[in-house]
Amino acid sequence: DTEVTQTPKHLVMGMTNKKSLKCEQHMGHRAMYWYKQKAKKPPELMFVYSYEKLSINESVPSRFSPECPNSSLLNLHLHALQPEDSALYLCASSQGVLRAEAFFGQGTRLTVV
Amino acid sequence: KNEVEQSPQNLTAQEGEFITINCSYSVGISALHWLQQHPGGGIVSLFMLSSGKKKHGRLIATINIQEKHSSLHITASHPRDSAVYICAVKRGAGDYGGSNYKLTFGKGTLLTVNP
Repeated sequence: DTEVTQTPKHLVMGMTNKKSLKCEQHMGHRAMYWYKQKAKKPPELMFVYSYEKLSINESVPSRFSPECPNSSLLNLHLHALQPEDSALYLCASSQGVLRAEAFFGQGTRLTVV
Repeated sequence: KNEVEQSPQNLTAQEGEFITINCSYSVGISALHWLQQHPGGGIVSLFMLSSGKKKHGRLIATINIQEKHSSLHITASHPRDSAVYICAVKRGAGDYGGSNYKLTFGKGTLLTVNP
């Protein structure tokens, strides 16, 4: 199984809503990542988890809150988002933070209204 | 100047044509990815290279570490190959404390293959 599964595929939320994005992998990878991708731009790294601990936060606003409940799951909790936060949110995993090969999920298309 | 440069930015081909997309980078790397993204879709990893050449079906990827250059070739192109192809590099171990925990992406090449 070389899949990274993200749910939901699409999400529309209001600026006062609280929602969560989920990511799951069963490859035994110990590094998991959240990326944000705006239209026609390359992905931008948001967070890196290594062995279930947050190791990198790329100066992401606190309205995005990551969580890694166990080695297979990664969540991104969303609260009080702005319309400019509308984007494709991609999850990825790799065997370790310094190991090169990353596997990406299909993404969650988020629209904030 | 971006650390990862791709060319061309846009490429239109007729079905059956041989396609080449180029990637040049300016930093020391431990590996280079070629990724594929269909419009509105997620990212699929096509190849990870640290040296030489890899082939998978109609796709071939090569890398020249000395020249800091990689190419992605598609033989007998098909309309379903239409997508954005992204080159991404992972910095080398010597960059620890810098940015070697993340991928640095090129801006992508939009490929359109017409029937």
